Amino acid sequence: TQLLEQSPQFLSIQEGENLTVYCNSSSVFSSLQWYRQEPGEGPVLLVTVVTGGEVKKLKRLTFQFGDARKDSSLHITAAQPGDTGLYLCARTLIQGAQKLVFGQGTRLTINP
Amino acid sequence: KAGVTQTPRYLIKTRGQQVTLSCSPISGHRSVSWYQQTPGQGLQFLFEYFSETQRNKGNFPGRFSGRQFSNSRSEMNVSTLELGDSALYLCASSLASGVFPEAFFGQGTRLTVV
Repeated sequence: TQLLEQSPQFLSIQEGENLTVYCNSSSVFSSLQWYRQEPGEGPVLLVTVVTGGEVKKLKRLTFQFGDARKDSSLHITAAQPGDTGLYLCARTLIQGAQKLVFGQGTRLTINP
Repeated sequence: KAGVTQTPRYLIKTRGQQVTLSCSPISGHRSVSWYQQTPGQGLQFLFEYFSETQRNKGNFPGRFSGRQFSNSRSEMNVSTLELGDSALYLCASSLASGVFPEAFFGQGTRLTVV
């Protein structure tokens, strides 16, 4: 069962453009994490959002957790080629344990 | 400090064989989790070990097993390999403290079954 739906699956844009990727679920989750994975590497944690309506910023990346805690978005401003990668959202099924359920990911390509 | 180390990085095995993958967590991390990543199914949780005990398990057949040693190093074993077991196997370690412990992933072992 796919608990997290990410969209779009693929996104290719020009350097300097803005973009938003989404992560949705039919159920409420207590927290959500966003990871970025580059080719040949494991995923790297970008942020954890916990509170409904929460907004976190990481340089040009803005993460938002929906008020109902069923959805999240990642917005990138002025995308750069270094932002290229696979963006994954994930939720923990058991608090305090490392059992993550991942979305299918958004493969982002930023063209110079 | 050193990150999560997985060995080997690449592996080619024949259908029916078995394979053992190794993961050395970040020093001080007691939780080690294993994931399988494929283009079709994405990243899927296999199991988590904490203090040498399997704490959580995903929906994989019994051919997939693991263990953790007293120094927190972990191994994953897959027996009777099938073509569909070809995947990137990722290990993640964490302090396992706090409500939402941060997972640190290794670079993975790319397993190809022929």
